[in-house]
Amino acid sequence: QKEVEQNSGPLSVPEGAIASLNCTYSDRVSQSFFWYRQYSGKSPELIMSIYSNGDKEDGRFTAQLNKASQYVSLLIRDSQPSDSATYLCAVNRGSTLGRLYFGRGTQLTVWP
Amino acid sequence: DVKVTQSSRYLVKRTGEIVFLECVQDMDHENMFWYRQDPGLGLRLIYFSYDVKMKEKGDIPEGYSVSREKKERFSLILESASTNQTSMYLCASSLSLAGEGAYEQYFGPGTRLTVT
Repeated sequence: QKEVEQNSGPLSVPEGAIASLNCTYSDRVSQSFFWYRQYSGKSPELIMSIYSNGDKEDGRFTAQLNKASQYVSLLIRDSQPSDSATYLCAVNRGSTLGRLYFGRGTQLTVWP
Repeated sequence: DVKVTQSSRYLVKRTGEIVFLECVQDMDHENMFWYRQDPGLGLRLIYFSYDVKMKEKGDIPEGYSVSREKKERFSLILESASTNQTSMYLCASSLSLAGEGAYEQYFGPGTRLTVT
């Protein structure tokens, strides 16, 4: 079983809709969770970090963490064409010298 | 703002050449990482370092070595480049701290290496 699994996608939503991106992880000791956005040909950009159960909101982005279910999600409200990118989920397992385990990403397309 | 820079955006090398990829961060981060990214395979960790002169193998260290002589600089070395090392190489850095902000990794712009 992979450390971090994401919906392979691609996910396509209309402009203005809510995009929902999901991620599950295998190690129960995981403590820190991250969402990165990666535009084609560019490097990953950190958009959200979440460390405790519940929701964390930042503008149009909401990260949701449920450690009991080993599940983390990213909601993008009022999706814009500029949100079209690949979204990477990453997890830190605690005492691993800062190492992150990345999912393979979900490609999101927001069409006008 | 955290700034991670990489020595080249594009690089073309011949099979058998030695290749040096340099990464510099300006935020006094303890941890530095080298990844490669290939279509369909995602990000794969090659090596990482949690302190000067300290290194740990990642998932695909074969054919690579690293050097960290100064805290801000982490180098990836391809001792004898091969065509299967054609890839996008990404450097990242992070702080070691507890609580909010812990382990957030910041990436450089990447180096697209082609080995012919």
